[in-house]
Amino acid sequence: AQSVTQLGSHVSVSEGALVLLRCNYSSSVPPYLFWYVQYPNQGLQLLLKYTSAATLVKGINGFEAEFKKSETSFHLTKPSAHMSDAAEYFCAVSENTDKLIFGTGTRLQVFP
Amino acid sequence: NAGVTQTPKFQVLKTGQSMTLQCAQDMNHNSMYWYRQDPGMGLRLIYYSASEGTTDKGEVPNGYNVSRLNKREFSLRLESAAPSQTSVYFCASSEAAGHTNIQYFGAGTRLSVL
Repeated sequence: AQSVTQLGSHVSVSEGALVLLRCNYSSSVPPYLFWYVQYPNQGLQLLLKYTSAATLVKGINGFEAEFKKSETSFHLTKPSAHMSDAAEYFCAVSENTDKLIFGTGTRLQVFP
Repeated sequence: NAGVTQTPKFQVLKTGQSMTLQCAQDMNHNSMYWYRQDPGMGLRLIYYSASEGTTDKGEVPNGYNVSRLNKREFSLRLESAAPSQTSVYFCASSEAAGHTNIQYFGAGTRLSVL
C-alpha cells in the first residue's frame, strides 16, 4: 500500500536560510508525487508535482523537489527562505488511482 | 475566478444534530472530493466522486453521506453529528479521475461538535 512519511512536524529557519522539508514514500509501482502548501485559514494549493518526466521538479515561489528512487524520497527545498513561506506543507502520493494519500504535514516557521 | 467554493465557513453543532456542507466548483471538473483535516493526521479522504452520478468511499466514510447533485456540486451530510467529527473539512475537484491530475481545494469549513 502506498504511504507518505514527512519527517519533522515543525521546521524553523531564519529568513534567507535554506529550506529543506523531508518526504519519503512507499509505493509498489512508480509513484506520482506532489507537494501542496496551506497558508493559514486557506485551502491547499499545488506547489509542484512529479510525474516521471524529470527527477528535479521546479515549482512556484522558488521551491523545487528531487525524486530519488533509490532513497524513496521527494524532499522539498528552497535556497533562501522568505517570511511569506511560513505555512504548512504536505507531501502526497498517488499510484494508479485518482486518490491522493497525504502525509501528516510540516509546519514551516521563518524567523527574521 | 471562484474555483472551489465551500459553505458555510464555520459551524457549531450539538451532538446529534445534522447538517450538510456544500461545495461547488466552476471549473467544469469531473471529479470531486471531500477530506477532513485533523491535527497531526494530514488530510484523509472521506468520499469522492469520479464523475456526475457516481460516488465512492474513501478512507474514513463512517458517519457521512454524500450527494453529487450535478457536475458542479458535491455535498457532504452529517446525519447525527458526534464530537469525533469536529474537524476542518475540505472539498476539492480535479479535471478527471486520474493520478496525475491536480486537485484544487476550497478554503474549508471549520466544524465544531459539542
